[in-house]
Amino acid sequence: TQLLEQSPQFLSIQEGENLTVYCNSSSVFSSLQWYRQEPGEGPVLLVTVVTGGEVKKLKRLTFQFGDARKDSSLHITAAQPGDTGLYLCAGAGGGADGLTFGKGTHLIIQP
Amino acid sequence: NAGVTQTPKFRVLKTGQSMTLLCAQDMNHEYMYWYRQDPGMGLRLIHYSVGEGTTAKGEVPDGYNVSRLKKQNFLLGLESAAPSQTSVYFCASSRGTYSRELFFGEGSRLTVL
Repeated sequence: TQLLEQSPQFLSIQEGENLTVYCNSSSVFSSLQWYRQEPGEGPVLLVTVVTGGEVKKLKRLTFQFGDARKDSSLHITAAQPGDTGLYLCAGAGGGADGLTFGKGTHLIIQP
Repeated sequence: NAGVTQTPKFRVLKTGQSMTLLCAQDMNHEYMYWYRQDPGMGLRLIHYSVGEGTTAKGEVPDGYNVSRLKKQNFLLGLESAAPSQTSVYFCASSRGTYSRELFFGEGSRLTVL
């Protein structure tokens, strides 16, 4: 069974601060995705990283896939209250079965 | 822009009752999934389907059955509900193995008393 561990589980910071969320595993994934989920809604894809060492930027969000494709990080610069939500990382194996999800990071950005 | 639609959105059952959750997608996706989300446990895969007429077990399949009679629909059934099945259930679909992006429904909150 492939496991993904996210840290921290909870994070509450002030608007304007920077933060990093980590997603770690002992398994290798063919790709890794980050989703954001708001209360009462389903997760929505933010980004997919495929190549080891890959870095993708989405406005103030920077995603990195580890060289060995076992871990990933999400860095938010100058966090805003609109960034508040549950951030989930999810790893894809080689088969057709569903993604393996981490337990998520609850992020609160206080004005 | 319907995407993935789940019905019902809320349901309360008594222990032992049965029910079916319906998932419908209008994106012509081949793959469909049922996940459950519990506090502190994250999203766990129950069953999935890679095409019409096919289903397979996920991580936590016990107590659930599924059917994919039509490509656009994926049904999740509980034959005899238990309190441990109290959860939020999410249906998701994807184009296929190459594109692993999941499109989720809004969720169905089930409470079993």
